[in-house]
Order: sequence, then C-alpha cells, then structure tokens
Amino acid sequence: DTGVSQDPRHKITKRGQNVTFRCDPISEHNRLYWYRQTLGQGPEFLTYFQNEAQLEKSRLLSDRFSAERPKGSFSTLEIQRTEQGDSAMYLCASSLDGDPGELFFGEGSRLTVL
Amino acid sequence: QKEVEQNSGPLSVPEGAIASLNCTYSDRGSQSFFWYRQYSGKSPELIMSIYSNGDKEDGRFTAQLNKASQYVSLLIRDSQPSDSATYLCAVRGGGFKTIFGAGTRLFVKA
Repeated sequence: DTGVSQDPRHKITKRGQNVTFRCDPISEHNRLYWYRQTLGQGPEFLTYFQNEAQLEKSRLLSDRFSAERPKGSFSTLEIQRTEQGDSAMYLCASSLDGDPGELFFGEGSRLTVL
Repeated sequence: QKEVEQNSGPLSVPEGAIASLNCTYSDRGSQSFFWYRQYSGKSPELIMSIYSNGDKEDGRFTAQLNKASQYVSLLIRDSQPSDSATYLCAVRGGGFKTIFGAGTRLFVKA
C-alpha cells in the first residue's frame, strides 16, 4: 500500500491526557500537512511541513499542539492536556510538487475526549 | 462571512440527471480551486482542480470558475448512485494553506 498511513485510527482518551498521532506520507512526497475535521465541517488547516521544516502553522494550533517531522519522513502530532473540544478527525495529507492544494489524504485518526 | 461557502444540501437528483454544485469564496487573491469528494466515514479525495476562468472537463465532471464573481461550480453528468457523497469545495490563496467549505451532500436516487 503506497497511500498515506495514519496511526492510530481511533483514540479515546480522558480530558487532560496527552495523545500523539503518527502519519507516514507517500514515500516520495516532500510536503506534509495536518488538518482537523469535525462533523459537518470541511477540513481545517493546522500545519504544513516541507521536508523537515515546519513552514506554516495555523492560529488554531494552540500551544497545547505540537507537530514534528524529523528527517523529513513521518510526522507526529501531539496534543497535550486534551480538552473535549479537541474531539475531531485528524487528517494527514501529503503531496509532491505541483499545487499545494492537491492533497492526498490518509484515512485519519479519530480522537474522542471524554 | 465564511471564507468558502457552500449550500449544505442535501441535493437530491435522479440517476442519470445532472447534479450542479456551487461554491463562493471571499478572498479575491485566491489562486487555485479544487473539488474533493468525501464518502461517509472516509477521507476527502481530490476529483478536480481548476486554476483559470472557464470550464474544465474530466469524464463526467466539469468544473467551472468565474473569478470576477468569486464563484466555482461542479457539474456531474449522468449522475450515478455511487456519486452520492459530500462534495467539498476548496480554495488556496498564496501560501500552503487550503481552505475548505463545509461541503454539499449529494444523493443520487436509483
């Protein structure tokens, strides 16, 4: 399978706990994005990596959120001290060259905060 | 005002009909425009990109862009039940951030 892979697919946690999601992009893709989607809404941009450099970050990404892409391969998104409002689908996408809006999404990691 | 607006639907069309989906955007500097399809419980999938005014056709899909009116549309000809999904309009300005609308739910009745 050469698509974007995300892990875990589902995570249920209690408020205040930390969670981490992992994304493995399509192997030759140098661009990696994180989006968040809640029910009935479209995906919202969180952050963008070009190789290992985090080049753009949404104001939605509070200081409880941190993303990394060491060595320009896989990426992790960590949420500290989770809140109920963090419950959402966290989508990772990657792309190669061409328009940055042409995104290949993974299947997402669904977070439920109790 | 939302940056990308779509009618949430549902839009219901009979099999074989043309489905017309519309979208408006607020940023006049937007450069790139996309339609994504999202089946229930799945992630979005890119189906069309359009960058200049006019029409762009790909199989049963036609995307239309009118930058002066800040309007993007998607026509699906010969609609099939398998086209039933949520269609997301997306717009990119000058950076790497793509802004999505909330989507229009389409039902194609057999």
